[in-house]
Amino acid sequence: AQKITQTQPGMFVQEKEAVTLDCTYDTSDQSYGLFWYKQPSSGEMIFLIYQGSYDEQNATEGRYSLNFQKARKSANLVISASQLGDSAMYFCAMRGLTGANSKLTFGKGITLSVRP
Amino acid sequence: NAGVTQTPKFQVLKTGQSMTLQCAQDMNHEYMSWYRQDPGMGLRLIHYSVGAGITDQGEVPNGYNVSRSTTEDFPLRLLSAAPSQTSVYFCASRNNPGGTDTQYFGPGTRLTVL
Repeated sequence: AQKITQTQPGMFVQEKEAVTLDCTYDTSDQSYGLFWYKQPSSGEMIFLIYQGSYDEQNATEGRYSLNFQKARKSANLVISASQLGDSAMYFCAMRGLTGANSKLTFGKGITLSVRP
Repeated sequence: NAGVTQTPKFQVLKTGQSMTLQCAQDMNHEYMSWYRQDPGMGLRLIHYSVGAGITDQGEVPNGYNVSRSTTEDFPLRLLSAAPSQTSVYFCASRNNPGGTDTQYFGPGTRLTVL
């Protein structure tokens, strides 16, 4: 079984500053992937970044980076130089990478508000 | 490419009514799935399919049926709607049932059951 934990109830950050959104996970899979999605107020789910469990480097995508600490089972999302458009709900998710029916499991999400 | 499309965007039902939420993708993805999103609960998997003719249950399947007669379409049927099924429903697809492929989501259907 897989479990994703996102415990921060809501986060606030000043525009242009960096912010870290926490995610811890638990899984019995040896090979797995970690994903972050953004959900703005309009409701769509937008894929942000992916980290594989065997990737040696932390993933980066523009202003997004993933601080992956495998031993601690954490996969925190770092957003640099926050923008007002970053205000949204952020979901951490994971799934095993072997087997045809590997399912994507989501955390409960974190609300981020960017202040001007 | 249209990606993953869902219809309708909004729907209001009365308790006991049935309806089908439509989902289609034009990316020739093998894997498709349905999630529901409720406040404070994240997204929970209802049903999924790893290819045409193959479906299986997710975390919260009760009250829902699915079928996968084609690669493109994956409709979700509510047999007898209940207020507990008031939620936002997302359809998603990805190319490879396993592997590292990203999962893409449709725009969602907001369902209210009175």
